[in-house]
Amino acid sequence: DAGVIQSPRHEVTEMGQEVTLRCKPISGHNSLFWYRQTMMRGLELLIYFNNNVPIDDSGMPEDRFSAKMPNASFSTLKIQPSEPRDSAVYFCASTPGLANNEQFFGPGTRLTVL
Amino acid sequence: GQQLNQSPQSMFIQEGEDVSMNCTSSSIFNTWLWYKQDPGEGPVLLIALYKAGELTSNGRLTAQFGITRKDSFLNISASIPSDVGIYFCAGQKGGSQGNLIFGKGTKLSVKP
Repeated sequence: DAGVIQSPRHEVTEMGQEVTLRCKPISGHNSLFWYRQTMMRGLELLIYFNNNVPIDDSGMPEDRFSAKMPNASFSTLKIQPSEPRDSAVYFCASTPGLANNEQFFGPGTRLTVL
Repeated sequence: GQQLNQSPQSMFIQEGEDVSMNCTSSSIFNTWLWYKQDPGEGPVLLIALYKAGELTSNGRLTAQFGITRKDSFLNISASIPSDVGIYFCAGQKGGSQGNLIFGKGTKLSVKP
């Protein structure tokens, strides 16, 4: 069975460029989560969706960050413009629903902003 | 924001040794989860706990949901080299469905 799929696995970009990270949740999962992981701050929840609707985006650091979930099988996290301090590993996770806390994580996208 | 205090931050293991780590919080949690992360991969769920006092095993791993609901423990018995990695606890508070708070992790390495 396919787990959570993320692309790209690695992204290197220059400051000021737009970055788009992609996620496909596990089929049948209705809740999707975006996290950022850094050495300093650990795993931080950025935003999560339920049935394609954003539920809580209080973790999104700035207006430069935006996320969408146009359908049940696809979500994007966009950073525009990117800055060096955005460098981190970004994870997507999914669960069957919000009542289920057992989140399954994707392999992550390692973002480096030069 | 809310923090989980996970300890130890790191530890060295020798094959065959038992390992213990824990997470504590000043708040009450309804759910405790333990994840393991290997280099270059996402966290993988090991054990989920849903009731105070619950003790659950997954192979050589055993985790407990503390009676006070403010802490959780993970034990690994008879460690093997593939146990190295970073272990994270995560908790979910009542009234915050979907919002997991993660500890900073315990890094397990092999003793030189």
